[in-house]
Amino acid sequence: SYELSQPLSVSVALGQTARITCEGDNIGRKDVQWYQQQPGHAPVLVIYRNVKRPSGIPERLSGSKSGNTATLTISGAQAGDEFDYYCQVWDTNSVVFGGGTKLIVL
Amino acid sequence: QVQLVQSGAEVKKPGASVKVSCKASGYIFSSYDINWVRQATGQGLEWMGLMNPSSGYTAYAQTFQGRVTFTGDTSINAIYMELSRLRTDDTAVYFCARGDRSVLQYWGQGSLVTVS
Repeated sequence: SYELSQPLSVSVALGQTARITCEGDNIGRKDVQWYQQQPGHAPVLVIYRNVKRPSGIPERLSGSKSGNTATLTISGAQAGDEFDYYCQVWDTNSVVFGGGTKLIVL
Repeated sequence: QVQLVQSGAEVKKPGASVKVSCKASGYIFSSYDINWVRQATGQGLEWMGLMNPSSGYTAYAQTFQGRVTFTGDTSINAIYMELSRLRTDDTAVYFCARGDRSVLQYWGQGSLVTVS
């Protein structure tokens, strides 16, 4: 079955740029979504179809892909960004999630 | 506005079954799939499958094949997830989410199922 790999955690200094990666075979051929999740809450879609932002999501959050890696970039990281982030694709009639990355803002 | 409202928390014994509901409003119910995703405490998101309310088509993740069933009631815009032969490691929060070609933009609030 298809797998997506994410780092367990990413640390970023306050106000700097955080990059959360998501690796998967041929991910370049798939649409990638990113979700943000606060503890005890449902996930929130922050990026869909690789680069699109739903209304209400700040421009500080952006998505990109290169080779076998998709990246969620959070510019000007704030304490309020300190959540879990999941990437997701569709593969062979299944939704597949990455294992999730905890963003730590220092 | 789009809303997905799920049924409340459940406590079940091992071996029992649980049925969780997801009631949709604010959009044309038949136009989008409903996905089910679960999350054990401190763990990641795990996709269980989806149902198309219009056609009744279902797709189940291999992990849950034979133990999970999705049903729908279009008269009240509801989808149900029933998980049988519960084990203690089925303890989790179960979410429904509206799918638009696998983009899960709208989520229910989650239903905690405790198996003990």
